[in-house]
Amino acid sequence: GENVEQHPSTLSVQEGDSAVIKCTYSDSASNYFPWYKQELGKGPQLIIDIRSNVGEKKDQRIAVTLNKTAKHFSLHITETQPEDSAVYFCAADTGTASKLTFGTGTRLQVTL
Amino acid sequence: GAVVSQHPSRVICKSGTSVKIECRSLDFQATTMFWYRQFPKQSLMLMATSNEGSKATYEQGVEKDKFLINHASLTLSTLTVTSAHPEDSSFYICSASRTGAPLHFGNGTRLTVT
Repeated sequence: GENVEQHPSTLSVQEGDSAVIKCTYSDSASNYFPWYKQELGKGPQLIIDIRSNVGEKKDQRIAVTLNKTAKHFSLHITETQPEDSAVYFCAADTGTASKLTFGTGTRLQVTL
Repeated sequence: GAVVSQHPSRVICKSGTSVKIECRSLDFQATTMFWYRQFPKQSLMLMATSNEGSKATYEQGVEKDKFLINHASLTLSTLTVTSAHPEDSSFYICSASRTGAPLHFGNGTRLTVT
């Protein structure tokens, strides 16, 4: 089955700096890669996603890049703000009934 | 946008009792719903996949007789934790899917078994 690794497990950045979270996946059949933000006591919220036919996608301060050959994808947050502090999860899906395999999560702390 | 509603958000029950958690897709018909369990500071672990009108598919190691899943309509799935014990205390999260659309999650249910 699919295995998704995520790094780092914790990340602390100063407000205004950029944050990068990286994930690797094992199943070359995976073709959909969403990123979720989870705040304390809440469910994950989709923040951006990318499909395997695209190498990069951007939405305001958030961008995701995908390298299919190397089987890794990354989340980039620019101009970080305190409200970006949360746990971020990457995931991979082979397209079979949206059955996602999640990474282990990254706790992002944006300090003033 | 798509919204998934989950109730209750928190529940405390005594050991040996059963607890039902509801997951509703509010503005779309969900062909498939998923139930996850999340321990503190850990990732989401898929428990089961629920398709409307059919039996749920459980992941390895998940007891189907303990975690009863019913998906009676395209907008509602329920998870019943039967004869709950303290080790069942956890954060349970549902998600709903429709063909070709991203997966959206409910806000989770914090279950505490005393």
